[in-house]
Amino acid sequence: GAVVSQHPSRVICKSGTSVKIECRSLDFQATTMFWYRQFPKKSLMLMATSNEGSKATYEQGVEKDKFLINHASLTLSTLTVTSAHPEDSSFYICSAGGQGGKMNTEAFFGQGTRLTVV
Amino acid sequence: GNSVTQMEGPVTLSEEAFLTINCTYTATGYPSLFWYVQYPGEGLQLLLKATKADDKGSNKGFEATYRKETTSFHLEKGSVQVSDSAVYFCALSDQPGSARQLTFGSGTQLTVLP
Repeated sequence: GAVVSQHPSRVICKSGTSVKIECRSLDFQATTMFWYRQFPKKSLMLMATSNEGSKATYEQGVEKDKFLINHASLTLSTLTVTSAHPEDSSFYICSAGGQGGKMNTEAFFGQGTRLTVV
Repeated sequence: GNSVTQMEGPVTLSEEAFLTINCTYTATGYPSLFWYVQYPGEGLQLLLKATKADDKGSNKGFEATYRKETTSFHLEKGSVQVSDSAVYFCALSDQPGSARQLTFGSGTQLTVLP
């Protein structure tokens, strides 16, 4: 149980285009989702937290107009990188938390997406 | 703010060798500490955790002890296997009892050779 699927696993896009990354909870209702980003040889950094049906809360320094997060249902959250540039190339990973038991205190991770902007 | 410093990789060991991956942290208060593992093509999985000083987390032969005096949470395993090859992340949470909003280290790639 508690499986999170992230898609795509890898994507290459041209500079100036937008890319959408999906994060799905397959067997539980994800009331909260988290989006992280990792630069090469750096830590995974929390970008934003989203609760189903509410606007996402972004961490300091993360451009909300650049990284659009939608959490419209209890099983799906999307991260859209708008007008991507090479400096947006990174590894993005989502995690999801639910309600009840360990779902309250643990988050379950997707496989991550390697984005390369050329 | 919170931070986690993790031993840089990659680490390459022979099967049955002893493993240590160092992790130190900076945080206010009393954070909870975690080790996550990411196998190729999969998401991060919680490997073990400790929620207070001197607690020892253990799972699948891996152990880590929460040392407040040295602000460390080093991961150890006495005899690694090829199947332990993965990326290991040390992390902390400053929300009591929660593993949701996490501060991560940079990850350590472990390769175990037969």
